[in-house]
Amino acid sequence: SSELTQDPAVSVALGQTVRITCQGDSLRSYSTSWYQQKPGQAPVLVIYGKNRPSGIPDRFSGSSSGNTASLTITGAQAEDEADYYCNSRDSSGNHLVFGGGTKLTVL
Amino acid sequence: QVQLQESGPGLVTPSQTLSLTCTVSGGSISSGSYYWSWIRQPAGKGLEWIGRILTSGSTNYDPSLKSRVTISLDTSKNQFSLKLSSVTAADTAVYYCARYYYYDGSILFDYWGQGTLVTVSS
Repeated sequence: SSELTQDPAVSVALGQTVRITCQGDSLRSYSTSWYQQKPGQAPVLVIYGKNRPSGIPDRFSGSSSGNTASLTITGAQAEDEADYYCNSRDSSGNHLVFGGGTKLTVL
Repeated sequence: QVQLQESGPGLVTPSQTLSLTCTVSGGSISSGSYYWSWIRQPAGKGLEWIGRILTSGSTNYDPSLKSRVTISLDTSKNQFSLKLSSVTAADTAVYYCARYYYYDGSILFDYWGQGTLVTVSS
């Protein structure tokens, strides 16, 4: 099992706000990145720390408090339906780890 | 635009060694402070980091796979490779190669291959 824990599934009504969380002891010390993965495609970086790569809509934002990192989508769109993975270092700081993933459904 | 492309057998016999190569185009594998990495994803499951290599040749592997994994670099061919020994059905997955770097403490996987399915079966 992963050192980073995510809820397996979350749903949100179209246009509403949703928060996807990632918990782990290592997140007290290390920054978190978030990846969006659609079926049959490679993951795409959407948030690193509190930053967005160019080309990612500003409805995506990231935050962190204690051992929990969050990805917030403000005004979710149908195209945001995907799996989302958090990524950081493990508790030793020497290796990378991904969360188990959250399947986001936009209703 | 950097592109990564995985190649290798799609079917591996149990107890044998899985071998994959990632060919990098659009940029030199030797330039910049990048980490060249392998990640895998079993069907319907999450992403699993396997390990990485630096252009210096320095490697780092996930502890759960360390005894079976070797990642190597061929700068003359702009490629890096994965070898996973003593495979079982549990190693069946889509294998991705990817590039990442650190920025302000964050890990950024900015380029990924399309992924290649490797099935372990007799």
